[in-house]
Amino acid sequence: DIQMTQSPSSLSASVGDRVTITCQASQDINNYLNWYQLKPGRAPKVLIYDASNLQTGVPSRFSGGGYGTDFTFTINNLQPEDIATYYCQQSDNLPITFGQGTRLEIK
Amino acid sequence: EVQLVESGGGLVQPGESLRLSCAASGFIFRDYDMSWVRQAPGRGLEWLSCISRSGTTTHYADSVEGRFTISRDNVKNSLYLQMNSLGAEDTAVYYCARGLSGNGPYWYFDLWGRGTLVTVSS
Repeated sequence: DIQMTQSPSSLSASVGDRVTITCQASQDINNYLNWYQLKPGRAPKVLIYDASNLQTGVPSRFSGGGYGTDFTFTINNLQPEDIATYYCQQSDNLPITFGQGTRLEIK
Repeated sequence: EVQLVESGGGLVQPGESLRLSCAASGFIFRDYDMSWVRQAPGRGLEWLSCISRSGTTTHYADSVEGRFTISRDNVKNSLYLQMNSLGAEDTAVYYCARGLSGNGPYWYFDLWGRGTLVTVSS
């Protein structure tokens, strides 16, 4: 199985800040890396697919990058509604695997 | 409205069975591969199983292989997960998710339901 190591596990930042989360795959996954936002009681939402493609309707302050084994997810100009837990997910091989999640809080 | 709605969760005792359903609406259900994903309390997301558009191909995570069975009814626009021999470790919110193929060989999930809670406890 491909292991996805996500960091940090939690993060506290202020409105307007830039926040970056990293995700490392245990083997080369090309750019087959996706990012999700989870809020309690709501359906999970894909933000970025194939490492850097912004899902339709997602604000442009969200972005992603990377290739191979190392990936980043960035939120520019952090907003209060961005409070959530974020997960990376590889789509290179079965089983599909997710990172452990990053819980984002607003200071 | 394009949506997925899960149902069928509840409280069951260890060793019992449960069948989850996921009703799809607002899109052509038979055009998409579908998956089940769960989140145990305080834990991350865990992919469980997928089924092809026609229902002929299925895959499972090792943690549920042999105990869970995924199926679909493209006439009823519904996805199912039959769960047998449930244990405490199966306590989780269960989500159905629509798969899209990007550049990779497998999917990212562009549409999710809100989930249904399964609690396994005596």
